[in-house]
Amino acid sequence: DTEVTQTPKHLVMGMTNKKSLKCEQHMGHRAMYWYKQKAKKPPELMFVYSYEKLSINESVPSRFSPECPNSSLLNLHLHALQPEDSALYLCASSQEGRSQETQYFGPGTRLLVL
Amino acid sequence: AQSVTQLDSHVSVSEGTPVLLRCNYSSSYSPSLFWYVQHPNKGLQLLLKYTSAATLVKGINGFEAEFKKSETSFHLTKPSAHMSDAAEYFCVVSDRRRGGNKLTFGTGTQLKVEL
Repeated sequence: DTEVTQTPKHLVMGMTNKKSLKCEQHMGHRAMYWYKQKAKKPPELMFVYSYEKLSINESVPSRFSPECPNSSLLNLHLHALQPEDSALYLCASSQEGRSQETQYFGPGTRLLVL
Repeated sequence: AQSVTQLDSHVSVSEGTPVLLRCNYSSSYSPSLFWYVQHPNKGLQLLLKYTSAATLVKGINGFEAEFKKSETSFHLTKPSAHMSDAAEYFCVVSDRRRGGNKLTFGTGTQLKVEL
């Protein structure tokens, strides 16, 4: 099973709201990722967690706050977002190690900030 | 630094004809290369990957790609296009490292399949 699940599928929020995106995988992967994808563009890496520790933060604004409570779960907490943050947010996971590096993506959460 | 160039932003083919999506890469060491497909309003699905084993890589749905080091290319092909192949395709190179791996995406090729 190579499934990564994401909830919710769609989210509409105001600029003063607090919301969270959730990602889950049960493949035993120890690396998990958040990406942001704008329309007609490739995904942009936001964060990488390795063994539940944040290993890469691509200079993402603090209104995005990631959390990895255990090896299967990854959250992205959202607060005081801007309309330009509207995008498809993708989660991915992979094994750690030289050859087992394929990233498996979830279906994404489509976020609209009003 | 690694980079990926997808040479065509849009490709249009007729159903039943061959598909060629072109990708060139730049890497300072032996790269891992991937092709992902994204259907409208969906996540990314892995089509195939090259990780220094066989240079001709077979993937899902009849796609294959050939790694050519001398040309720094990793073009994606399919002998006969199907309507369901219409999607966005991304060529990707991986930066192997400890603490997760970082993918460098090409800008994408939109494949249109016409009757």
